[in-house]
Amino acid sequence: NAGVTQTPKFRVLKTGQSMTLLCAQDMNHEYMYWYRQDPGMGLRLIHYSVGEGTTAKGEVPDGYNVSRLKKQNFLLGLESAAPSQTSVYFCASRARTEKYSGANVLTFGAGSRLTVL
Amino acid sequence: AQSVTQPDIHITVSEGASLELRCNYSYGATPYLFWYVQSPGQGLQLLLKYFSGDTLVQGIKGFEAEFKRSQSSFNLRKPSVHWSDAAEYFCAVGAGSGYSTLTFGKGTMLLVSP
Repeated sequence: NAGVTQTPKFRVLKTGQSMTLLCAQDMNHEYMYWYRQDPGMGLRLIHYSVGEGTTAKGEVPDGYNVSRLKKQNFLLGLESAAPSQTSVYFCASRARTEKYSGANVLTFGAGSRLTVL
Repeated sequence: AQSVTQPDIHITVSEGASLELRCNYSYGATPYLFWYVQSPGQGLQLLLKYFSGDTLVQGIKGFEAEFKRSQSSFNLRKPSVHWSDAAEYFCAVGAGSGYSTLTFGKGTMLLVSP
């Protein structure tokens, strides 16, 4: 059981280049999330998805796009990278439950470190 | 919308001493509260969670947290800190058990001195 897998783990981009971060989960989770982590800022939600084919904006969505074509995958795209997007990106997923249960917990990937020069 | 405040950016504790990390949340109804820990260069690991029931919850690695509705707090405690506890700790709040999104605090970095 791999859990949540993020690729790539490291990437260096030049300003203006594009790239896609891939998040894959094998737990059949409905909800998936992309966060960015910056020093002193904690984790901030970029976009999230509550099911296949649906996405929604989080706290800091500008400059990013996402797609959830398959339930197990959640892609984060940067169309024109900027130095302000240098960060560590975390993907997370959880099951959809309406009642309190142990499933109401986010499982995180190991992170993807992106540097934009 | 919910929010979380962790007042302490850094805390230094001597090994073997007790620890309390503060977390205050803002949410109108019963929140779903979490503490996560992140070791350097690693992902986030769940320490414990609270939604209902006993307001004192036990977690992994000897940590516990107490939910105090009157103070909108969910402070993390450990009676005796080990050097391996040095890490960054994040408090997070969800809007009820069916939460769509989880909001994180900015984190508290724990340093453990010999």
